[in-house]
Amino acid sequence: QSVLTQPPSVSGAPGQRVTISCTGNSSNIGAGYDVHWYQQLPGTAPKLLIYGNSNRPSGVPDRFSGSKSGTSASLAITGLQAEDEADYYCQSYDSSLSGAVFGGGTQLTVL
Amino acid sequence: EVQLVESGGDLVQPGGSLRLSCSASGFTFRSYVMHWVRQAPGKGPEYVSAMSSNGGNTYYADSARGRFTISRDNSKNTLWLQMSSLRPEDTAVYYCVRESNGYNWAYDYWGQGTLVTVSS
Repeated sequence: QSVLTQPPSVSGAPGQRVTISCTGNSSNIGAGYDVHWYQQLPGTAPKLLIYGNSNRPSGVPDRFSGSKSGTSASLAITGLQAEDEADYYCQSYDSSLSGAVFGGGTQLTVL
Repeated sequence: EVQLVESGGDLVQPGGSLRLSCSASGFTFRSYVMHWVRQAPGKGPEYVSAMSSNGGNTYYADSARGRFTISRDNSKNTLWLQMSSLRPEDTAVYYCVRESNGYNWAYDYWGQGTLVTVSS
């Protein structure tokens, strides 16, 4: 059972928009800690996609955006492309556990 | 180019020990907090341990505390994870990860990982 809760899967057709939610509690997201998002392509290491709730590292397309409100955060992907098919993980810091916590991951399928 | 290269993963029996290494290049290693993060087969990533840039502070997840020891040598640009009393639930790919200098607990670079399998 992951500390942060994500839907196991989402799907969308090419060109569509999808969102992935990430729900925490008052010890992590709700305490004001930043949320970060990672993309993991099959057989590879996770890659930082969004940091500090809504910032994109250099090289990440602006089709990817992040937001945070209260005890939750969301990742939005617009203009879906086949290459976006991957697992997506949210991550934050938890003060009661004194360490990073991750969501269980969401598998994105591009139909 | 930032590179993190892990090594040392192996098949080990329950109760055994293993030492993982991470060789870093392409950045000023001594300036960054470094972490170990693991991912069990089919599961999400899990934070294991972290060490401050100068090696003065160490941090552990509850699952690692008392059994794992993180260390680093900034003169050799190397991070280690000494693991003992290994359990089957420690089976995972172990990643060496760099923490972003601007955002605490954001992992901006990951190694390719090294597989640890704990089984009899």
